[in-house]
Amino acid sequence: AQSVSQHNHHVILSEAASLELGCNYSYGGTVNLFWYVQYPGQHLQLLLKYFSGDPLVKGIKGFEAEFIKSKFSFNLRKPSVQWSDTAEYFCAVKRSNDMRFGAGTRLTVKP
Amino acid sequence: NAGVTQTPKFQVLKTGQSMTLQCAQDMNHEYMSWYRQDPGMGLRLIHYSVGAGITDQGEVPNGYNVSRSTTEDFPLRLLSAAPSQTSVYFCASSKGVGTRSYNSPLHFGNGTRLTVT
Repeated sequence: AQSVSQHNHHVILSEAASLELGCNYSYGGTVNLFWYVQYPGQHLQLLLKYFSGDPLVKGIKGFEAEFIKSKFSFNLRKPSVQWSDTAEYFCAVKRSNDMRFGAGTRLTVKP
Repeated sequence: NAGVTQTPKFQVLKTGQSMTLQCAQDMNHEYMSWYRQDPGMGLRLIHYSVGAGITDQGEVPNGYNVSRSTTEDFPLRLLSAAPSQTSVYFCASSKGVGTRSYNSPLHFGNGTRLTVT
């Protein structure tokens, strides 16, 4: 069974700091990769996705992610975080009809 | 478009009671799924459906039943609730199935918070 690992459970940053959240997956076939964000009390919303082509994917709100096939990784980055980025972030891997999520990383941005 | 609609938003059950969580989407999506979200465990797939009359199990199907009689609706049934089923449940849908679903993100409902005492 494929698994998705997010290594950071809780990250605390000050505003304007740079962010990188790790995501690794175990499945070796063709996959789609996603990052979702969940703001407090809300449902998951799509940040960005990778399907094929350029491994550097840009999403909403200044987020980007890089797919490194050899490392089975899809790390999320943002050069300068804002207080409003405080949320939980989920990496997800999809193969055919099966979409699996990582355990999530809680990001707290201090003003 | 309302998107994915889940009802109820909150529910408290006693152990052994049964109930159905409702999910409806108005986007004509073929794929629908149910996840449960628990602290530190992310979202875990319970059941999914690739079209009317077709359902399959996900990671944690035990204790849950589903059916898909129409494209729009995908109810989740708890036949005999247990405290271990206390969780937040999300329904999600996406366009296309199989390889045609690639590049199609999941659209989530607002969730149902279920407490089993």
